[in-house]
Amino acid sequence: EVVMTQSPATLSVSPGERATLSCRASQSVSIDLAWYHQKPGQAPRLLIYGASTRATGIPARFSGSGSGTEFTLTISSLQSEDFAVYYCQQYNKWPPGTFGQGTKVEIK
Amino acid sequence: EVQLLESGGGLVQPGGSLRLSCAASGITFSSYGMSWVRQAPGKGLEWVSTISGSGANTYYADSVKGRFTISRDHSKNTLFLQMNSLRAEDTALYYCAKISDGTGYSHFDYWGQGTLVTVSS
Repeated sequence: EVVMTQSPATLSVSPGERATLSCRASQSVSIDLAWYHQKPGQAPRLLIYGASTRATGIPARFSGSGSGTEFTLTISSLQSEDFAVYYCQQYNKWPPGTFGQGTKVEIK
Repeated sequence: EVQLLESGGGLVQPGGSLRLSCAASGITFSSYGMSWVRQAPGKGLEWVSTISGSGANTYYADSVKGRFTISRDHSKNTLFLQMNSLRAEDTALYYCAKISDGTGYSHFDYWGQGTLVTVSS
């Protein structure tokens, strides 16, 4: 099973600042990597798939990069609605489609 | 507009059974794989099970294999999860999620709002 490790566990950022979240796979998953965010009391929402392709309706301030085992989600200028928990998920070695443990982005 | 509406959650005793449903609309249901993903209180996301668009292929997490059964009814555009021999550790919010293609192993592009399953005596 591929283990996905996200860092940091919590990221404190001021509105308008840049946030960089990391996700590492225990073995190569090519670019079969998705990012989701989840606001309190809501379902997860797809942000990025294929490591770098923004999902429909996702603002350009969200960008993804990486391949193989190292991936990054960057939020260029944090807005109030971006404070949430972010999960990465690999879908290269299936089953299972493993998720990372999440990174909470909180207001500094 | 894609909508996924889960139902069937509730309180059940250990060893009991529940059947979850997920009604899908706004999509050609048989063209897409579907999954169940759960989230224990205060915890992260855990993939539970997936069924391919045709229904021919099913996949399960080791933690539920042999106890849970995923199925789909194309005439009703509905996904199901039959859960037997429930344990306390199955307590979670269960999400229905649409897979982006028909294979069953890709990312989840739409999610329902979830249905809560509580296993307790």
